[in-house]
Amino acid sequence: GAVVSQHPSRVICKSGTSVKIECRSLDFQATTMFWYRQFPKQSLMLMATSNEGSKATYEQGVEKDKFLINHASLTLSTLTVTSAHPEDSSFYICSVGFRGSRGYTFGSGTRLTVV
Amino acid sequence: AQSVTQLGSHVSVSEGALVLLRCNYSSSVPPYLFWYVQYPNQGLQLLLKYTTGATLVKGINGFEAEFKKSETSFHLTKPSAHMSDAAEYFCAVSDGGATNKLIFGTGTLLAVQP
Repeated sequence: GAVVSQHPSRVICKSGTSVKIECRSLDFQATTMFWYRQFPKQSLMLMATSNEGSKATYEQGVEKDKFLINHASLTLSTLTVTSAHPEDSSFYICSVGFRGSRGYTFGSGTRLTVV
Repeated sequence: AQSVTQLGSHVSVSEGALVLLRCNYSSSVPPYLFWYVQYPNQGLQLLLKYTTGATLVKGINGFEAEFKKSETSFHLTKPSAHMSDAAEYFCAVSDGGATNKLIFGTGTLLAVQP
């Protein structure tokens, strides 16, 4: 089955610094990946669609300059939170979606804490 | 565009009782529907999905859901709750391929009382 690896699982950073989160598809090629953010006790909010070899598509209200997405290869998408602030503290999850009935595979998530 | 509404942010049942978690969707195309479970500080686990075919879908851990197009619903049920079922449950919808985005409902926190 499809496996998605997300790293790191937890990160603490200082306010004003940048943090990179990696999402890897281990056993298949992913032309598209999705990035979600989940605040405590809330649902998963789709942030953006990561497209291999082209610009990401951001959802309304998501700052593209703050959340930089790079999908340079068919197995790796990265999300960089730039100039992080405490309000960016959240659980970030990546996902790969398969066309048709196969559904989606999720990474295990990254807990970001900005202090 | 797709959207999902989950009625009841918190549901509490007694152990052994029926579990019913409600989900209604909105979609401009035939939807693909999913139920996921999330335990504290963990990722998502797929319980079941409906894409095409039989409208009654059986999933893991004794859960099932029925796709009712006329009611735009995809409610999740389990005949007898176990303590281990206590978790957050999310209903989600996608367009099956056009954008392939998966949109989540707000979630329902299920508590199981002994």
